[in-house]
Amino acid sequence: KAGVTQTPRYLIKTRGQQVTLSCSPISGHRSVSWYQQTPGQGLQFLFEYFSETQRNKGNFPGRFSGRQFSNSRSEMNVSTLELGDSALYLCASSWDGQLNEKLFFGSGTQLSVL
Amino acid sequence: DQQVKQNSPSLSVQEGRISILNCDYTNSMFDYFLWYKKYPAEGPTFLISISSIKDKNEDGRFTVFLNKSAKHLSLHIVPSQPGDSAVYFCAARSSYNQGGKLIFGQGTELSVKP
Repeated sequence: KAGVTQTPRYLIKTRGQQVTLSCSPISGHRSVSWYQQTPGQGLQFLFEYFSETQRNKGNFPGRFSGRQFSNSRSEMNVSTLELGDSALYLCASSWDGQLNEKLFFGSGTQLSVL
Repeated sequence: DQQVKQNSPSLSVQEGRISILNCDYTNSMFDYFLWYKKYPAEGPTFLISISSIKDKNEDGRFTVFLNKSAKHLSLHIVPSQPGDSAVYFCAARSSYNQGGKLIFGQGTELSVKP
């Protein structure tokens, strides 16, 4: 069974640009969550999608957005990039994201903003 | 507001000895806890979890202990092996927050020396 796939692995952008990251969950998983990892802040929750609807949202500005398609694949978008957005962006999937269910993570997209 | 804290950024142990990684939390609504292991340039992989109705859970060399009154959990690895060298994250969730929202600690980098 294929794991969680994130593309691209690496991205370099400049301030002010926008970026779109993609995540394909494990087959059959309907919940997709996004996390940001930075050296100073650890892993922070961005948002979660289930059945094409945002079910949970973290404390990030509106420049961070996402969506989920009918096949459960998800994208996240960051507009008007800032230097502080440089981070590893991780996607995680689970069957339906309920309690006592573990999340499976992808390898992440390393975003560098110059 | 750091709801999940791992106060030791790093830990070094000798191969064959016990590794003890600690985690404290402040939110009494957390009722499910997980430990993840992360290698550089890879996504976190699930290790072990524990529900708040238990105080101990074992899986092979890994045991997680939960002390609800102290809001403290620990991960014991016995015996430690060089391949265990990685960053370990504890994470917590609340059944009041639906879905895939995990709150992570900052991580502890474990180094197991041969």
